[in-house]
Amino acid sequence: GIQVEQSPPDLILQEGANSTLRCNFSDSVNNLQWFHQNPWGQLINLFYIPSGTKQNGRLSATTVATERYSLLYISSSQTTDSGVYFCAAPRNSGNTPLVFGKGTRLSVIA
Amino acid sequence: DTAVSQTPKYLVTQMGNDKSIKCEQNLGHDTMYWYKQDSKKFLKIMFSYNNKELIINETVPNRFSPKSPDKAHLNLHINSLELGDSAVYFCASSQDFSGSGNTEAFFGQGTRLTVV
Repeated sequence: GIQVEQSPPDLILQEGANSTLRCNFSDSVNNLQWFHQNPWGQLINLFYIPSGTKQNGRLSATTVATERYSLLYISSSQTTDSGVYFCAAPRNSGNTPLVFGKGTRLSVIA
Repeated sequence: DTAVSQTPKYLVTQMGNDKSIKCEQNLGHDTMYWYKQDSKKFLKIMFSYNNKELIINETVPNRFSPKSPDKAHLNLHINSLELGDSAVYFCASSQDFSGSGNTEAFFGQGTRLTVV
């Protein structure tokens, strides 16, 4: 099955800074999702992005499927961005369930 | 309207007890899942159901028994709870199971199970 690796594992930012989170996956995918787990434990869908670029407010994501990676950009970070960011891809041949990376723990300091 | 809802949100119980977690989705999805998140935040699939039928069982101990009375519900029953079962359990759903369809998954708010 697919392997999903995320970097960096931890990130501390000053409020207002920008950051890039990376997700590498070991096989071709037709689904790639980014989630934010907030400090209350909720898993919030950020992007469903098997390829290309999407933007949602201060967040954007790019997946380069041919090179097997995806990037999540956070601009002008806020303290509410703190939490753990996960990427996930289907286990094999595009069939679910999702395999998750270990996450990037982001702390935004005021 | 909550898309995927689980109850209860918190569950504290003694070793050896039997407990259930309920999950309902109002998205009209065909596929539902149970995931387990351990103390290191690692998320791993436990079960997948498609149209009420079990399609994936990830070598989970048979003390864990999922039940899907209909497409919108997937409950998780756990017998003889052990300390190691303490974790956060997430229910999720997606429209389709296979890559040819829409496999975007949506998660419930999680159930934090603590076994003492």
